[in-house]
Amino acid sequence: AQKVTQAQTEISVVEKEDVTLDCVYETRDTTYYLFWYKQPPSGELVFLIRRNSFDEQNEISGRYSWNFQKSTSSFNFTITASQVVDSAVYFCALSEVSNTGNQFYFGTGTSLTVIP
Amino acid sequence: EPEVTQTPSHQVTQMGQEVILRCVPISNHLYFYWYRQILGQKVEFLVSFYNNEISEKSEIFDDQFSVERPDGSNFTLKIRSTKLEDSAMYFCASRPEAGVPDTQYFGPGTRLTVL
Repeated sequence: AQKVTQAQTEISVVEKEDVTLDCVYETRDTTYYLFWYKQPPSGELVFLIRRNSFDEQNEISGRYSWNFQKSTSSFNFTITASQVVDSAVYFCALSEVSNTGNQFYFGTGTSLTVIP
Repeated sequence: EPEVTQTPSHQVTQMGQEVILRCVPISNHLYFYWYRQILGQKVEFLVSFYNNEISEKSEIFDDQFSVERPDGSNFTLKIRSTKLEDSAMYFCASRPEAGVPDTQYFGPGTRLTVL
C-alpha cells in the first residue's frame, strides 16, 4: 500500500489562479513528519516545508500555504496567485519515527504547469 | 548556506560496468541517504547510513549496491555491475541528527545513464 498518495498527476492553471495540490498519507505512527519538496525542470529537490504530527496549525509563507488535517490524513499545499516560476513537480513525503532510518516515503508527485 | 554536493552531475556507462557516485553531505550532519528517481517516476529510498553503517535499506538495494564513507566528508554509492534499469537520477541527502525524522537536504543529483 502507498504510504503517500498524490492523486493529481498533472495540473495546469493560468497564471494568477490559485491551485491546491493534494496529499494523503497513511501511517500507524503517532509521531511522524510530513514534507513538501519542489522539483523544478533542472531536477534538484527543493525543500518547502516540514510539519510534525503534533502541530496541526496551518502555515502560510508568502504565496504558499499548507493545510494539515490529521482527521483526514491530508497535508494539502496551496499556491495563491500562481506564477510561471511555480511550474514544477511537487512531491509530498512522509517520515516515521518508528522507522530506524527515518527515510522518506515520497508520493508520485504532481506536475504543475502555470500557463502565462 | 551549506549544501549537499554530488559528482558527477551526469554519468554514462556501459551495462556491466561499475560506477561510483559521490556525495559530500553537509559537514555537521550525521545521517546520510541515497534515493533513486527513474525518469518520470517518484523518488524511491535506497539506503540510510549512520555511524558508519547501514541503518536501513530498501528492496532495491541488493547485493549490486554498496555504500561507503571513506573519509570524513565523502559518501559514496557503488553499483558493481550496472544494468539498463539502473538508469535514473540518484540523489544523496543528509540530515543533522539521529532519532528525529528531520528535514533531509538533498543534493542536485547524479543522472546515471546505462547503455
